[in-house]
Amino acid sequence: GQNIDQPTEMTATEGAIVQINCTYQTSGFNGLFWYQQHAGEAPTFLSYNVLDGLEEKGRFSSFLSRSKGYSYLLLKELQMKDSASYLCARMDSNYQLIWGAGTKLIIKP
Amino acid sequence: EPEVTQTPSHQVTQMGQEVILRCVPISNHLYFYWYRQILGQKVEFLVSFYNNEISEKSEIFDDQFSVERPDGSNFTLKIRSTKLEDSAMYFCASSEPSGGAGELFFGEGSRLTVL
Repeated sequence: GQNIDQPTEMTATEGAIVQINCTYQTSGFNGLFWYQQHAGEAPTFLSYNVLDGLEEKGRFSSFLSRSKGYSYLLLKELQMKDSASYLCARMDSNYQLIWGAGTKLIIKP
Repeated sequence: EPEVTQTPSHQVTQMGQEVILRCVPISNHLYFYWYRQILGQKVEFLVSFYNNEISEKSEIFDDQFSVERPDGSNFTLKIRSTKLEDSAMYFCASSEPSGGAGELFFGEGSRLTVL
């Protein structure tokens, strides 16, 4: 199927590091996206990986392993404003984005 | 910074009524999309549009739905006869001429409530 699996909810402490994992179907793969979505708002783009390896962008990094159908989003130096849902999305060969259900990240002081 | 704009931000309608949601994509973008998100659920793909025609559509996008680009700037989603289960946030998105393999820029969304 087109399942994208990511944890439903995670909790972390302000200032800490958290890793959100995502696994996906590997056939017809055309890139892996991470989006952030605050409640009631539109998703906002965080990262796009199409080759294996780690992409770093400030406090956020995203990793991809195409052979394993696996990605993670790493958030460092967590801030309260990072409390949001983090959506993993796979782009298929038709350039459709197939979305995961999202991981709700709760940051505690 | 260019952005995707959507109107209305919130629409309340009676079941069976027609609804048109409007979007103005970023001006040099050529790929346009509609997604929806039912409250508390994941974002779902509805339709993609390129070169004045639908390029892909999902199972959700049945005969009740249609899209149109009536002029050079607007991209509309029409729901012909709304059902209760159409209540959701509808997001328009666009992407650059290089194709869908890149960042999708989302509008703020239009919240549709069907009573």
